[in-house]
Amino acid sequence: GAGVSQSPSNKVTEKGKDVELRCDPISGHTALYWYRQSLGQGLEFLIYFQGNSAPDKSGLPSDRFSAERTGGSVSTLTIQRTQQEDSAVYLCASSFGVLEEQYFGPGTRLTVT
Amino acid sequence: QKEVEQDPGPLSVPEGAIVSLNCTYSNSAFQYFMWYRQYSRKGPELLMYTYSSGNKEDGRFTAQVDKSSKYISLFIRDSQPSDSATYLCAMSVAGGTSYGKLTFGQGTILTVHP
Repeated sequence: GAGVSQSPSNKVTEKGKDVELRCDPISGHTALYWYRQSLGQGLEFLIYFQGNSAPDKSGLPSDRFSAERTGGSVSTLTIQRTQQEDSAVYLCASSFGVLEEQYFGPGTRLTVT
Repeated sequence: QKEVEQDPGPLSVPEGAIVSLNCTYSNSAFQYFMWYRQYSRKGPELLMYTYSSGNKEDGRFTAQVDKSSKYISLFIRDSQPSDSATYLCAMSVAGGTSYGKLTFGQGTILTVHP
């Protein structure tokens, strides 16, 4: 079956613009996670959803970052007023339930110029 | 200090060698331990998943967890060039609002040369 998909695969944006990153989880997976991977910081947790609610938003680096999930399926990560330090690969993962195996998507490579 | 420490390498070994990858951690609440493999420009894929202390074997891979020392290891036997990738350890607590959140090590870059 289809895995986790993310779009776009690459995004180049100018500093100060807003961007939206999309994640389509595996069908039937109730938990969805966002992580960020950068050279200096490694792979960092941002937020996770159980259904449409987000029990843990502790990893969001600032109030410029927000995420939502609708219909227990697709999720969107929005970064407002992008900064150069936001440049990274944004990875989405989903799992059947919390603490079940997390399946990762290929990521969105964001470059802020 | 990071909650999870992992030597970034790089590590270069000949084909057929036994590879040992390690992570240490400071949070005693971690109960679930994982190893992921990540190829260049791909998402991580799960290799091994263990709960609490002990060993787990799957083919050429063996995962060990020593909670008393806060130390986990992944051994790869008969390493192959196709094992060349970045290996990431990851951990999670067992309850609370952070249940399910993975904390990753920095990743070790492994190259197996023919």
